[in-house]
Amino acid sequence: DIQMTQSPSTLSASVGDRVTITCRASQSIRSSLAWYQQKSGKAPKLLIYKASTLESGVPSRFSGSGSGTEFTLTISSLQPDDLATYYCQQYYSYSRTFGQGTKVEIK
Amino acid sequence: EVYLMESGGGSVQPGGSRRLSCAASGFTFSNYEMNWVRQTPGKGLEWVANISSSGDNTHYGDSVKGRFSISRDNAKTSLFLQMNSLRGDDTGVYYCASGRENGAYFHLWGQGTVVTVSS
Repeated sequence: DIQMTQSPSTLSASVGDRVTITCRASQSIRSSLAWYQQKSGKAPKLLIYKASTLESGVPSRFSGSGSGTEFTLTISSLQPDDLATYYCQQYYSYSRTFGQGTKVEIK
Repeated sequence: EVYLMESGGGSVQPGGSRRLSCAASGFTFSNYEMNWVRQTPGKGLEWVANISSSGDNTHYGDSVKGRFSISRDNAKTSLFLQMNSLRGDDTGVYYCASGRENGAYFHLWGQGTVVTVSS
């Protein structure tokens, strides 16, 4: 299976800060990457697919970039509603795999 | 309203069986590949199984292959997961999710149903 590694595991930032989360794949996955947001007690929600395409209805402060083995999710101006855990997921291989998650806390 | 709603979770003893269901509404169910994804304390989010839109093709994660079986009834817009030979590490929240681009990523999720495997 393709291993997905996220960093950091936890980050704490202030409202208005720019936040960046990194996801690395154990082999090239081209642009076959999605990002999800999961709030406490809820199901994950799709934010971005094809590494950089914003899902309909997702605020424009979220953006994604990268290809190959290294990807980033950026929140341009952190809002209180962004308190959540964020996951990357590769779909290059049919055995879909997720990163371990990055918990975003508000200072 | 567009939604997926799982049911069938509960407590089961190791070695036992459980059948999960997922009811779909508000979209053309038969157009989409469907998946089960689980969230466990040990492995986090883990893709479990996938079924093609017609139901003809299925794929499974290595940890459940040979024990779990995914199926669907397009006429009743329902998805199922038959889980046999359950183990403690199968404990977790089970989500059904519809997939875009041949089931590649998951754009619609249910609220999840909890399965606890314990003696």
